[in-house]
Amino acid sequence: GNSVTQMEGPVTLSEEAFLTINCTYTATGYPSLFWYVQYPGEGLQLLLKATKADDKGSNKGFEATYRKETTSFHLEKGSVQVSDSAVYFCALGLTGGFKTIFGAGTRLFVKA
Amino acid sequence: DAGVTQSPTHLIKTRGQQVTLRCSPISGHKSVSWYQQVLGQGPQFIFQYYEKEERGRGNFPDRFSARQFPNYSSELNVNALLLGDSALYLCASSNLGREVTDTQYFGPGTRLTVL
Repeated sequence: GNSVTQMEGPVTLSEEAFLTINCTYTATGYPSLFWYVQYPGEGLQLLLKATKADDKGSNKGFEATYRKETTSFHLEKGSVQVSDSAVYFCALGLTGGFKTIFGAGTRLFVKA
Repeated sequence: DAGVTQSPTHLIKTRGQQVTLRCSPISGHKSVSWYQQVLGQGPQFIFQYYEKEERGRGNFPDRFSARQFPNYSSELNVNALLLGDSALYLCASSNLGREVTDTQYFGPGTRLTVL
């Protein structure tokens, strides 16, 4: 079946540290991959996406590369800020399908 | 422009009751999807509607139903509530709804507590 596995949290970092949140997927066909962010008390927001192998999605200093050979879509940021504290969800969607499959989420805490 | 709106914000019901949740998509968006997010987990797909027709359904029992109105707003109904239905219910809208790569815009959710 189709599924997404992401690293368990919480992840606690100091401001300006490097961030990596691992995400791997299992899918039939060729999925599109997404990272969503959920700030406290808010709904999900699309952070970035990649629709085919080797694509790199980027936004607000975050980036992730669609690696078909390792079925991965790891999220990275070179220097995190306190305002990046949130829950991050990796997700996939299948071309021609109608649903997005989410991972369990990784909570990030950034300390000043 | 207004984003996706959902009502009510919070809701408390008892087992066996019925509940109706409402969603208004972004103006011009014709597709609405519903997700259930249990505490500590990722959202689970329930339904997608496009142009008032059901386009997809997740692995949820028949107690869950939905509809989309001519103005593209949507309602999610849950009958015979169980304790396990306690969750944050998210609505998402997208412009085209034909491809999963279309960006989905999520509302803030309705927090349902079943006692």
